[in-house]
Amino acid sequence: ETGVTQTPRHLVMGMTNKKSLKCEQHLGHNAMYWYKQSAKKPLELMFVYSLEERVENNSVPSRFSPECPNSSHLFLHLHTLQPEDSALYLCASSQSSGRYEQYFGPGTRLTVT
Amino acid sequence: DAKTTQPNSMESNEEEPVHLPCNHSTISGTDYIHWYRQLPSQGPEYVIHGLTSNVNNRMASLAIAEDRKSSTLILHRATLRDAAVYYCILRDGDSNYQLIWGAGTKLIIKP
Repeated sequence: ETGVTQTPRHLVMGMTNKKSLKCEQHLGHNAMYWYKQSAKKPLELMFVYSLEERVENNSVPSRFSPECPNSSHLFLHLHTLQPEDSALYLCASSQSSGRYEQYFGPGTRLTVT
Repeated sequence: DAKTTQPNSMESNEEEPVHLPCNHSTISGTDYIHWYRQLPSQGPEYVIHGLTSNVNNRMASLAIAEDRKSSTLILHRATLRDAAVYYCILRDGDSNYQLIWGAGTKLIIKP
């Protein structure tokens, strides 16, 4: 138990659906992250929020839309996804967006059909 | 971006020490060396990090070469629960956020 929870753990959605992934951290951290982990590929950083402001967006397609309403919650809104978006989506948090270690949630396994 | 090179996989016997190597020949002076591991069906877990000096914590030890072009993660007494993919990562010196992830080393522990 890392103090970072993600829901749902598994999600199957069609290409025309809209869904959201939720992440919550109970560690009092100020920075939160979304990562994508595809089979046979390294982890890819998608978004970084520091004190609820987005500070990094690694050229992620607009069909992924993050939201950080407060420092404990992070959402990833999904719409009109493609089958190649099927992956494990991981949320992480850290004390600040610096050299501090990141704590990861268990991830949401997303399948786009 | 500085990159790391790790063996694809390693095997070790239970209750023996494990030395996991990592090469990072293009490391810059301000890059920290981080190690994470990912157990099956879980998110990555922080293990240890260092800059120049060797580091120890309850999970492992990190030995950093004098020229900083390589490092070794040491698990002093491996258990079956240490079977995981171990990632050696450099914190991007130009960015406070980026951890440049590689493919990692899959550690197999034999009973």
